[in-house]
Formats: sequence, structure tokens, C-alpha cells
Amino acid sequence: KNQVEQSPQSLIILEGKNCTLQCNYTVSPFSNLRWYKQDTGRGPVSLTIMTFSENTKSNGRYTATLDADTKQSSLHITASQLSDSASYICVVSAMYSGGGADGLTFGKGTHLIIQP
Amino acid sequence: EPEVTQTPSHQVTQMGQEVILRCVPISNHLYFYWYRQILGQKVEFLVSFYNNEISEKSEIFDDQFSVERPDGSNFTLKIRSTKLEDSAMYFCASRGRYNEQFFGPGTRLTVL
Repeated sequence: KNQVEQSPQSLIILEGKNCTLQCNYTVSPFSNLRWYKQDTGRGPVSLTIMTFSENTKSNGRYTATLDADTKQSSLHITASQLSDSASYICVVSAMYSGGGADGLTFGKGTHLIIQP
Repeated sequence: EPEVTQTPSHQVTQMGQEVILRCVPISNHLYFYWYRQILGQKVEFLVSFYNNEISEKSEIFDDQFSVERPDGSNFTLKIRSTKLEDSAMYFCASRGRYNEQFFGPGTRLTVL
């Protein structure tokens, strides 16, 4: 069964500090891995998408890594800001032969709180 | 920047009533999706829609659910007879030719 596990479940850090969120998956066959930011009561917003051949991708202060061999990904946030407080969701896509479905498996997310 | 929109933002209904959740995907997108997220839980896939028909659905998407694209812009999710456990955030998403899905802001459905 395809699964995505994220850790920690929640994290509290001080403004300006860095943090790293983890994602382990068992989705197969792997197509791509995405990190989304979800503000409370809002829809997820894409931060990064990585395919099998990519092992790092940055989007401003967000840097995602992917190790397809160990099936692990991380999201590193640098110099955190109060607006970074949100849930961060790891989503892994499996390859399907057709039909238009993306075969996405969602993690439960890491709830990040930035304190001033 | 184009975005997915959803209406209403919050819907309150009585158990057993029918509800229709509306979405306007990004124009020129070809694939459309509905997801739900029960409070405190992860996002769950409901259904995907392409070329005016359902392309995949999850086990959650039973006979009480239906989707429709009644015109060139709207994409709707209908729940025929709501149950208490249908209370959740419902997200619509769309994608174009490439892989990235864009999510709407969600509709919070409360079933009393």
C-alpha cells in the first residue's frame, strides 16, 4: 500500500531559526514528490516538485531534497518568518499508465509554529 | 495570476440534505479533482475528472457523490444525502498539461 509518513507531527521554533521537516514514502512506482504549504483553513499551495532525477530544489528560503534510493525527502526552511507558520504536506505521485489521475498519496503534514 | 476559486467558503446543512459545492478551475486546465480533509486529518483524494468523465475515484466516492462540469467553467461536487461524517473541508484542484495541481481555497462543509 502506498504510504507517506512525515515527521515531526508538529514543531515549534523561534523566528529566524532554521528547521528541517522529514518525509518517508513507500509509493511505487515513483513519479514525483511535492511539498505543499497549507495555511489554516486554506488550500495547499505548491512549494516544490521533484522528479526521480532531482535531488535538491530550492524556492526562496525553502530547499527540498530527495533521496530516491532511501525514499526520503526533507524540506529545509531557512531564517524562518512568522508567516511560515502552517502545515507542510509531503505528497508523492505514483506513475499510472493513463486516465488522467495523478495517483497522489498525501502525508498528514507537519504543523509548524514560528514564535516571535 | 490565475487561481482556482470555490464557492461557498462555508456551507452548513442538515443531515440528509443535498449540497452542491462549486469550483471554477483555472481556464485552459484539462484535469480536475476533488479532495476532502476532515479536521485534523490528511487530505484524501475523492475523484478526478478528465474529458468530461470521471477518470478515477476513491472508495470514499460512493453513490452519494457525483461530479459534473455543467458548462465550460464550473466543476461541481454534489452530495445527495449528507451524513454527519461528510463534515470536512472540500478542495477542488485543477492542472494543465504539466504535473502540478493547483488547489482552491476550499469549502468548509458542516453537517448538523
